[in-house]
Amino acid sequence: DAGITQSPRHKVTETGTPVTLRCHQTENHRYMYWYRQDPGHGLRLIHYSYGVKDTDKGEVSDGYSVSRSKTEDFLLTLESATSSQTSVYFCAISVGTREQYFGPGTRLTVT
Amino acid sequence: GENVEQHPSTLSVQEGDSAVIKCTYSDSASNYFPWYKQELGKRPQLIIDIRSNVGEKKDQRIAVTLNKTAKHFSLHITETQPEDSAVYFCAAKGVGDGNKLVFGAGTILRVKS
Repeated sequence: DAGITQSPRHKVTETGTPVTLRCHQTENHRYMYWYRQDPGHGLRLIHYSYGVKDTDKGEVSDGYSVSRSKTEDFLLTLESATSSQTSVYFCAISVGTREQYFGPGTRLTVT
Repeated sequence: GENVEQHPSTLSVQEGDSAVIKCTYSDSASNYFPWYKQELGKRPQLIIDIRSNVGEKKDQRIAVTLNKTAKHFSLHITETQPEDSAVYFCAAKGVGDGNKLVFGAGTILRVKS
């Protein structure tokens, strides 16, 4: 499992509330990623990080922000959750320059 | 940027038959092509990958082929078993920062016993 955990694993929140999802890794990998998974869309990259305080946008970054103050933690924040952000969120790490391994996922429901 | 298309979206096969899933990519500079298997309610798991300097790679019952000229790659599963039933995703790694992967939309494989 590449030492990746995500918290919380499930969350239900109301429209307009802020939400933060946490990804934690234990193996000091440089690259970390946040994806969302929706039926018919596969996995889409939200944001990624290539080091502490170094982050960049992916293809579906609107409405999301990220932070990485420590190598082991990568946080995804929904500043004001909307129903369109109901999804399953996966964190991933990159081992070396190619293989990516995924965390267990967080199921987020915005009501 | 990179774009990956995956076909078919669903595939049903009889146990013991072979299954083939195909993906095409748009960026000729892409150099890494992994395949993931995702069982219901679980995380995607890397099952096999291929680099652009290799045409084929096999691992027991699964194999991946790459045609760089045509910009497509395929996953082949032989002697399918019920436990092969899952969603399969292809991906391509484009050129640039971040080792970013672009994923296909997925194929639901059902193996009927």
